Amino acid sequence: DAKTTQPTSMDCAEGRAANLPCNHSTISGNEYVYWYRQIHSQGPQYIIHGLKNNETNEMASLIITEDRKSSTLILPHATLRDTAVYYCIEGGSQGNLIFGKGTKLSVKP
Amino acid sequence: ETGVTQTPRHLVMGMTNKKSLKCEQHLGHNAMYWYKQSAKKPLELMFVYNFKEQTENNSVPSRFSPECPNSSHLFLHLHTLQPEDSALYLCASSQGQATNYGYTFGSGTRLTVV
Repeated sequence: DAKTTQPTSMDCAEGRAANLPCNHSTISGNEYVYWYRQIHSQGPQYIIHGLKNNETNEMASLIITEDRKSSTLILPHATLRDTAVYYCIEGGSQGNLIFGKGTKLSVKP
Repeated sequence: ETGVTQTPRHLVMGMTNKKSLKCEQHLGHNAMYWYKQSAKKPLELMFVYNFKEQTENNSVPSRFSPECPNSSHLFLHLHTLQPEDSALYLCASSQGQATNYGYTFGSGTRLTVV
């Protein structure tokens, strides 16, 4: 089973920042936090991942708390095309990615 | 295109049919995966292959039979499926199986069993 917890759904206004929280209180020291998103009926798309430090790429920023028990994915300027299910994953027992139910983000005009 | 190609995109099959799903990656990855996504359920990991060897089978019924002839190709052979097997079947690949590598997913095969 997935070991992370995320809100079931969130809304965000177009052009505003979307902040998606995730709790991963059982994460071990060498496990990364991954974020993926899945737009309706497509395969999941990698967004970003991190271990301890905050990370930023062209898609998003990842803020990881100092105790590594939670993180926040930030989409700085959400667009309608960012409407998707966002998954926070800490990895499975053999390094496999185990998906939970994710957060359904709805970006509204 | 993500670099992971799945065919066919859609498949309708009867319960007595035999069909195969194909996955191909040109990313130089050495691990490949099959996931199943049923309606309103999380993705379920089915099989894992690492360097062509099956390293994980998550209690998948024998009517699903994977095959990995080389690191670039992965098949899922289907026979005598049930209507509850209707789902989106996703293939993924990664450079390694450790948690510090991300996965690249294909677009999936939408399977309907009638």
